[in-house]
Amino acid sequence: ETGVTQTPRHLVMGMTNKKSLKCEQHLGHNAMYWYKQSAKKPLELMFVYSLEERVENNSVPSRFSPECPNSSHLFLHLHTLQPEDSALYLCASSQGRTDTQYFGPGTRLTVL
Amino acid sequence: DQQVKQNSPSLSVQEGRISILNCDYTNSMFDYFLWYKKYPAEGPTFLISISSIKDKNEDGRFTVFLNKSAKHLSLHIVPSQPGDSAVYFCAASDNTDKLIFGTGTRLQVFP
Repeated sequence: ETGVTQTPRHLVMGMTNKKSLKCEQHLGHNAMYWYKQSAKKPLELMFVYSLEERVENNSVPSRFSPECPNSSHLFLHLHTLQPEDSALYLCASSQGRTDTQYFGPGTRLTVL
Repeated sequence: DQQVKQNSPSLSVQEGRISILNCDYTNSMFDYFLWYKKYPAEGPTFLISISSIKDKNEDGRFTVFLNKSAKHLSLHIVPSQPGDSAVYFCAASDNTDKLIFGTGTRLQVFP
């Protein structure tokens, strides 16, 4: 595997479910990011991790909980989501926090 | 208030012609700009970038122009190819880890 991978690619969940999105980067980068892309809206930065430490949380509701166990893996734990949380969730990584970000393919999430 | 704007949601260009995608920004602290390309069911792919100390950067068929006084940048693709059909996102950074994206422009290149 090369680049940035995300699993699952598609996820449908009910509002009471708990699920997790996984991101893995094979680029040796030190920073990882979660973005949300809703229809007809710009990509929104959700969380930033640098050297496994969360350095940014862009006022994201607590029903989204990130976890970065090491510099290659990033998770987004989901709990009691709302239908308006349905979106494409993209993971990205970069060498340093100001370097070019490389994106994974995204997880298309649908909340029923 | 959107700091990075792509006012054209779509653009249709004939193969072989020039495609020009535009992007405007409002924050004068932005000093680094990027273009990403996105195919359906894939994440954005980095295409080309430009630092605010330059006004032009070229990579093969892709050239990005930056007009700081107008807070405007554009991506030129010459010649356009059908494989260039995708959504193009402009992004800006103020030398932090925060990338601010535009809403994207869907480019369609037809034969």
